[in-house]
Amino acid sequence: QKEVEQDPGPLSVPEGAIVSLNCTYSNSAFQYFMWYRQYSRKGPELLMYTYSSGNKEDGRFTAQVDKSSKYISLFIRDSQPSDSATYLCAMRGGGETSGSRLTFGEGTQLTVNP
Amino acid sequence: ETGVTQTPRHLVMGMTNKKSLKCEQHLGHNAMYWYKQSAKKPLELMFVYSLEERVENNSVPSRFSPECPNSSHLFLHLHTLQPEDSALYLCASSQGTYNEQFFGPGTRLTVL
Repeated sequence: QKEVEQDPGPLSVPEGAIVSLNCTYSNSAFQYFMWYRQYSRKGPELLMYTYSSGNKEDGRFTAQVDKSSKYISLFIRDSQPSDSATYLCAMRGGGETSGSRLTFGEGTQLTVNP
Repeated sequence: ETGVTQTPRHLVMGMTNKKSLKCEQHLGHNAMYWYKQSAKKPLELMFVYSLEERVENNSVPSRFSPECPNSSHLFLHLHTLQPEDSALYLCASSQGTYNEQFFGPGTRLTVL
């Protein structure tokens, strides 16, 4: 079983739609959760960074963490064609014993159609 | 130059060739990383350097040999690669290994 499961898509939505991207994980030691966005021919860039359970909002993006269900989500409101990219979830443990290594999901390819 | 740069952006090599990938970070960071990104697979961490010392070698075959001469530069030396090594090789840097990692654009490697 993979430590982090992410539906690779592809996901295609019309402009203005609400997009929901999700990851599940099996390692209960994960405490820090990240979403990266990767445009074609570019490296990943950090989009959202959350610690433990709860919601975090940044403009049109909301990151949600439910540690009890081992489930994280990224919501994109009023999606734009410029949001078309691959979205990677990543997570790591919280201390010296868990290490600093990031564990990534496979990535979900999103296309927002004008 | 800003951020993390990688050269070359594309590389095609035969199985018997020797080549090197170069990464340079302009962010003043003290940790650098090599990742492998293959289609339909998560990013795989290959090597981590912190303060110019290798702190992690994630069971990578010896045909991949990293070198970190200073905190701004990282190399990945390649020799006798296999076709399954074809992938996007990403370099990243961070200030300390627990902080945000900034990625370069990657080198698309094809092994014939």
